[in-house]
Amino acid sequence: GESVGLHLPTLSVQEGDNSIINCAYSNSASDYFIWYKQESGKGPQFIIDIRSNMDKRQGQRVTVLLNKTVKHLSLQIAATQPGDSAVYFCAENWGGSARQLTFGSGTQLTVLP
Amino acid sequence: EAQVTQNPRYLITVTGKKLTVTCSQNMNHEYMSWYRQDPGLGLRQIYYSMNVEVTDKGDVPEGYKVSRKEKRNFPLILESPSPNQTSLYFCASSLGQVNTEAFFGQGTRLTVV
Repeated sequence: GESVGLHLPTLSVQEGDNSIINCAYSNSASDYFIWYKQESGKGPQFIIDIRSNMDKRQGQRVTVLLNKTVKHLSLQIAATQPGDSAVYFCAENWGGSARQLTFGSGTQLTVLP
Repeated sequence: EAQVTQNPRYLITVTGKKLTVTCSQNMNHEYMSWYRQDPGLGLRQIYYSMNVEVTDKGDVPEGYKVSRKEKRNFPLILESPSPNQTSLYFCASSLGQVNTEAFFGQGTRLTVV
């Protein structure tokens, strides 16, 4: 079946560096994507979303890039801070599906001092 | 404050003893859903509801029941819990079922012995 997955289960970056978290999706009909951040002991928290008619969207210190040709999604975090340490999930939704979101398994981001 | 509230946060129970995990949202959202989160498997949808008295199965519904008698509440019921239902459970709500951000509760850590 269709699935959303992540290339790397863990990522360690130095404080102040930029982070890039990748996500591959296989459902070409997906038209909406979200990145969530989950800190230890908490529920997932919305970071940024992007619709399939866009290839880039920027937020505060975060940028999401969508490449529909290769079905790839990435989350870029600028000037990574200790508070960015968390598990990051990408999720997809496709029009016509009554189910809400399909999540990837997550990437653990660790920010090193 | 806009939020999704789950109770309890932690629960240890014995096999076969019926339990209910409550979920309430104060955002007047129509769409609510339940997920379980297991190591290496990410978030998997159990049940979802598109509105009052409208519920449907997600990806892993076996062993669970839900009800949606009021818009704000969406309890998850385990009639006869088994050890394989030991997991971290999240309730989520959103304005619509497609192309909209989901807000998550803080999670319920359930252990069935």
